Amino acid sequence: KAGVTQTPRYLIKTRGQQVTLSCSPISGHRSVSWYQQTPGQGLQFLFEYFSETQRNKGNFPGRFSGRQFSNSRSEMNVSTLELGDSALYLCASSLGPAEGEQFFGPGTRLTVL
Amino acid sequence: QQQVKQSPQSLIVQKGGISIINCAYENTAFDYFPWYQQFPGKGPALLIAIRPDVSEKKEGRFTISFNKSAKQFSLHIMDSQPGDSATYFCAARQDSGYSTLTFGKGTMLLVSP
Repeated sequence: KAGVTQTPRYLIKTRGQQVTLSCSPISGHRSVSWYQQTPGQGLQFLFEYFSETQRNKGNFPGRFSGRQFSNSRSEMNVSTLELGDSALYLCASSLGPAEGEQFFGPGTRLTVL
Repeated sequence: QQQVKQSPQSLIVQKGGISIINCAYENTAFDYFPWYQQFPGKGPALLIAIRPDVSEKKEGRFTISFNKSAKQFSLHIMDSQPGDSATYFCAARQDSGYSTLTFGKGTMLLVSP
């Protein structure tokens, strides 16, 4: 069974630009969560999607948004990039909300110059 | 407000020794406690998880000990091997119907040959 896949794996952007990251969950998993990982703050929750609906949101500014499609694939978007947005963005999938374990993808490394 | 406190930040253990990582939580609504292992350039991988109704869970060389009254849990790695060198994260999830995980800051483990 294929794991969680994330594309692209690496991105370099400049301040003010926007970026879209993609996540394909494990087959049969319908819940997708996004996390930001930085050396200083560690792993921080961004948002959670299930059935194309955002069910929970972390404490991030409105520049961070996401969506989920009918096939459970998810995208997250960051607009007006800031230097502090440089991080590893991780996607995790599970069978459903609070159902079973969460499995993480390899992440997308975003560098903002 | 750090809801899950993890210690130590870093740990050096000799091959064959026991590695012990501790976590403490504040929110009594947490009802699921997973541990993740992360290698450089990879996403976190689920190692082992426990719920508050058991005090210990063992899988191979990995054991979680859970103390509900003290709101603490720990990961023990028996017979530590150089291949165990990685960053370990404890996490917690509320019984709120969300998949959201709250992570500790992580412990960098180095197992010396």
